[in-house]
Amino acid sequence: AQKVTQAQTEISVVEKEDVTLDCVYETRDTTYYLFWYKQPPSGELVFLIRRNSFDEQNEISGRYSWNFQKSTSSFNFTITASQVVDSAVYFCALRAIIQGAQKLVFGQGTRLTINP
Amino acid sequence: EAGVTQFPSHSVIEKGQTVTLRCDPISGHDNLYWYRRVMGKEIKFLLHFVKESKQDESGMPNNRFLAERTGGTYSTLKVQPAELEDSGVYFCASSLIRGKNTEAFFGQGTRLTVV
Repeated sequence: AQKVTQAQTEISVVEKEDVTLDCVYETRDTTYYLFWYKQPPSGELVFLIRRNSFDEQNEISGRYSWNFQKSTSSFNFTITASQVVDSAVYFCALRAIIQGAQKLVFGQGTRLTINP
Repeated sequence: EAGVTQFPSHSVIEKGQTVTLRCDPISGHDNLYWYRRVMGKEIKFLLHFVKESKQDESGMPNNRFLAERTGGTYSTLKVQPAELEDSGVYFCASSLIRGKNTEAFFGQGTRLTVV
């Protein structure tokens, strides 16, 4: 069975602070993808990153960075120097790399509020 | 290029009524998915179409839910009769069937409230 846990339901920080969103996953598959999606107030889910289970290199994209640790089954997301526009619900998700199996398993989401 | 479009954005219906949600995927995307988020919980998979065929409908909660994708273009999800526990946000997503870019692109969701 696959499962994604985002233990932080809500986080509130002041603008310019760094914030880390935790994601822990469970899977018996040896190959899989991990994702982060952002849901701004407008409602749509915006793709942020995909990480292959074979690639444990950390990734940085501007103020965003992701830390993938296979040993602890975690895929954490850090926003550096947060801004009010980062306020959203963030979802971590898992997908097995099996032909035909395309469905995503999501965590419960973390509501991030950046206060000015 | 237009993204995934869902209609309506909001729907409020009474228990026992019927509601039909529509999803227009990105043009050329053979994969189409329906997901649902209920009461602030995780987003859960409902079903997956490849063109007009149902590839996986393991997430459909019960036989009050009927999804169709005639012609392999847009899809509809009908709830009949609606119950209170059906309230939530219904997301549609689409992706290419081949190629390296297999990201699922999501629509803005339909917020369904059953009263």
